[in-house]
Amino acid sequence: GQQVMQIPQYQHVQEGEDFTTYCNSSTTLSNIQWYKQRPGGHPVFLIQLVKSGEVKKQKRLTFQFGEAKKNSSLHITATQTTDVGTYFCAGDSGYSTLTFGKGTMLLVSP
Amino acid sequence: SAVISQKPSRDICQRGTSLTIQCQVDSQVTMMFWYRQQPGQSLTLIATANQGSEATYESGFVIDKFPISRPNLTFSTLTVSNMSPEDSSIYLCSVAELGRSFFGQGTRLTVV
Repeated sequence: GQQVMQIPQYQHVQEGEDFTTYCNSSTTLSNIQWYKQRPGGHPVFLIQLVKSGEVKKQKRLTFQFGEAKKNSSLHITATQTTDVGTYFCAGDSGYSTLTFGKGTMLLVSP
Repeated sequence: SAVISQKPSRDICQRGTSLTIQCQVDSQVTMMFWYRQQPGQSLTLIATANQGSEATYESGFVIDKFPISRPNLTFSTLTVSNMSPEDSSIYLCSVAELGRSFFGQGTRLTVV
């Protein structure tokens, strides 16, 4: 079945440093979605990428979808303590069900 | 965006018993999804629940262990049956709307 790999598993940065998490699918995706889960919370939708090579920005967050629609990345510029949480990518192969990556836990020290 | 109310938020249960988790959505949706998330882990899809038909279960999950009801377009239940400590986890219901998924607050289940 479809697998979605995500690295790194964990990253600890100083406030102001950049952060990137990478996602790779074993199959071509219809779209990829990104979610953020704060400690003790539930996943919250961040963005959906649909087009090959698509790049979307949300303030300090930049999302990319690979040309082959099999990989994606999330980059945070100048992290803040409010960015703390686990970031999940989730691949949709077109059958309306999502396969989640294992997530990257981000810890930001002030 | 869809608002999902899930209850209970947490429970501690004896092994061998069953727990039913309820999920109420503030709008009508075709598909509802049930996930399991073990502490510090990713989300694993248990099943997809469509109104008016039997749920579709993912590999490793069976109806006898996780029976699901979907009586209408705004409500679903997931039962965790004959529980063992290995069932201790967070259970989340979810709906998809316009290319994004919304999640309930989750049910933190501890089996002792």
